[in-house]
Amino acid sequence: GAGVSQSPSNKVTEKGKDVELRCDPISGHTALYWYRQSLGQGLEFLIYFQGNSAPDKSGLPSDRFSAERTGGSVSTLTIQRTQQEDSAVYLCASSLEGAFNEKLFFGSGTQLSVL
Amino acid sequence: SQELEQSPQSLIVQEGKNLTINCTSSKTLYGLYWYKQKYGEGLIFLMMLQKGGEEKSHEKITAKLDEKKQQSSLHITASQPSHAGIYLCGAAFMIYNQGGKLIFGQGTELSVKP
Repeated sequence: GAGVSQSPSNKVTEKGKDVELRCDPISGHTALYWYRQSLGQGLEFLIYFQGNSAPDKSGLPSDRFSAERTGGSVSTLTIQRTQQEDSAVYLCASSLEGAFNEKLFFGSGTQLSVL
Repeated sequence: SQELEQSPQSLIVQEGKNLTINCTSSKTLYGLYWYKQKYGEGLIFLMMLQKGGEEKSHEKITAKLDEKKQQSSLHITASQPSHAGIYLCGAAFMIYNQGGKLIFGQGTELSVKP
């Protein structure tokens, strides 16, 4: 597609339920990032995929969070047993090769609300 | 992230006034990015700086990276209501397979009064 696409744009769930957030990066981009943004806060790094390399998971806040990237394209961020503190906007970004001198292209995010 | 500190956290200026936002790190940066975010929208790329002492401008926005590559400033001249939003600095601290994760600051919320 023309840009990074995220779905759903909004998700309301009950505490304890699992949720899956999807990210379609720009076609041909090998690097994919997930960030979390709480209300009034900056972007919190979650996970980074680069080609076939092992992902950098250092930002995942707990073992309830996991992410996959299938076929080097689409990525899914899964949050198990959601808690209220998981409520935030989850942003996905991609870049061509993940080099530090490349621009990241961001999706519009998924607003997650845990009731 | 505490690795990048932005100041101020929020800023209200009168239309037409100049303003500066700062981004500071205790570590040397490999690349420094400035993004703008409007409520409910994604992040819009503004500028990227790599070299110590580098300065870039786009329209009325100028970004600089100091010689030590630990501090950057974003300067807006003659601010307009369209400049309002959240400004985020992001930086790469490490090389990972020739790439690197980007860490972002807490953001600066700018309001411009007409």
